[in-house]
Amino acid sequence: GENVEQHPSTLSVQEGDSAVIKCTYSDSASNYFPWYKQELGKRPQLIIDIRSNVGEKKDQRIAVTLNKTAKHFSLHITETQPEDSAVYFCAALTGANNLFFGTGTRLTVIP
Amino acid sequence: DAGVIQSPRHEVTEMGQEVTLRCKPISGHDYLFWYRQTMMRGLELLIYFNNNVPIDDSGMPEDRFSAKMPNASFSTLKIQPSEPRDSAVYFCASNTFDREATGELFFGEGSRLTVL
Repeated sequence: GENVEQHPSTLSVQEGDSAVIKCTYSDSASNYFPWYKQELGKRPQLIIDIRSNVGEKKDQRIAVTLNKTAKHFSLHITETQPEDSAVYFCAALTGANNLFFGTGTRLTVIP
Repeated sequence: DAGVIQSPRHEVTEMGQEVTLRCKPISGHDYLFWYRQTMMRGLELLIYFNNNVPIDDSGMPEDRFSAKMPNASFSTLKIQPSEPRDSAVYFCASNTFDREATGELFFGEGSRLTVL
């Protein structure tokens, strides 16, 4: 089955700096890679996603890159703000429509 | 649509008791997932259904856990007997994954279970 690894598990940055979270996956048939943000005590919510036919996608301060050959994808947050503090999960969707999540990264943005 | 609805939001029970968690997916979604979230293990997929049929239950921890989906608008996750190590937040999520869909999973608010 699919195995998604995520690093780092915790990340602290100064407000205004950039944050990068990296994930790798094992199943070459996986074709959809979403990122979810989970604030304390709340449900995970989709913030950005990328499909396997695209190498990069950007939405304001958030961008995701995908390297299918190397089987890794990354989340980039620029100009971080305190409200970006949360746990971020990457995920990979297999051909069987099964979504596997990484173990999460706790991002803290220090004002 | 009100989104994915889960109940109860919080449950505190004693070891050995039966626990039933409920989920109503978004209307029209044909995939339903049950996840368990703990600090140690993150988000773990327990089981998922497609058109009310269980597709993959390999994540179900043991025989004490069972899940059903009697119709397209209702699913239950049952733990019998419950143990303290079952304490976690249980999320239900749904989607359709058809060509027009984004692939986004829509999560419920979660059910926080504490087994004493």
